[in-house]
Amino acid sequence: GAVVSQHPSRVICKSGTSVKIECRSLDFQATTMFWYRQFPKKSLMLMATSNEGSKATYEQGVEKDKFLINHASLTLSTLTVTSAHPEDSSFYICSASYPGGGSYEQYFGPGTRLTVT
Amino acid sequence: GQQLNQSPQSMFIQEGEDVSMNCTSSSIFNTWLWYKQDPGEGPVLLIALYKAGELTSNGRLTAQFGITRKDSFLNISASIPSDVGIYFCAGQTDNAGNMLTFGGGTRLMVKP
Repeated sequence: GAVVSQHPSRVICKSGTSVKIECRSLDFQATTMFWYRQFPKKSLMLMATSNEGSKATYEQGVEKDKFLINHASLTLSTLTVTSAHPEDSSFYICSASYPGGGSYEQYFGPGTRLTVT
Repeated sequence: GQQLNQSPQSMFIQEGEDVSMNCTSSSIFNTWLWYKQDPGEGPVLLIALYKAGELTSNGRLTAQFGITRKDSFLNISASIPSDVGIYFCAGQTDNAGNMLTFGGGTRLMVKP
């Protein structure tokens, strides 16, 4: 149980275009999903918290107009990188919150490698 | 903001050896989670700890939630080559909307 998928796993796009990344909880309903960015050999950096049916909460320094998040259902959240630039190239990982033994554990998707040329 | 100090940053050990890594914080957490990340993959949850003093095992892995709620350790016994990866600790507080604070990671390398 608690499986999270992400699509696509890899994407290469040209500078100026937009890219959409999907995050799905496959066997549970997730009221909260999280989007992270990870640079090489670094820890995960939280970008935003996405709650189903409401606006996402962005971390300080993350541009909400550039990283559009939609959480339209209890099993799907999307991250759209708008007008992508080479500096947006990174590994993007989503997670979904699942009630565990005493709290809400986060289960992660496999990640999406974005390369902007 | 809250920060987790994870150590060591990296370890290079011989197959069969035991491994220990830990995380410390200046703040109290109500939940500690340990994840493993393989290259190009998302983190996989290994162990979740919910009570101060709790000691939990998962196969060759053992983790403990510090009694002060400000630290946790993860032990791996009899390491094998597939243990290679990056291990992250993460802390969670009840009043943070299920958000996780991550440690910097411990990169484990195992020599066959």
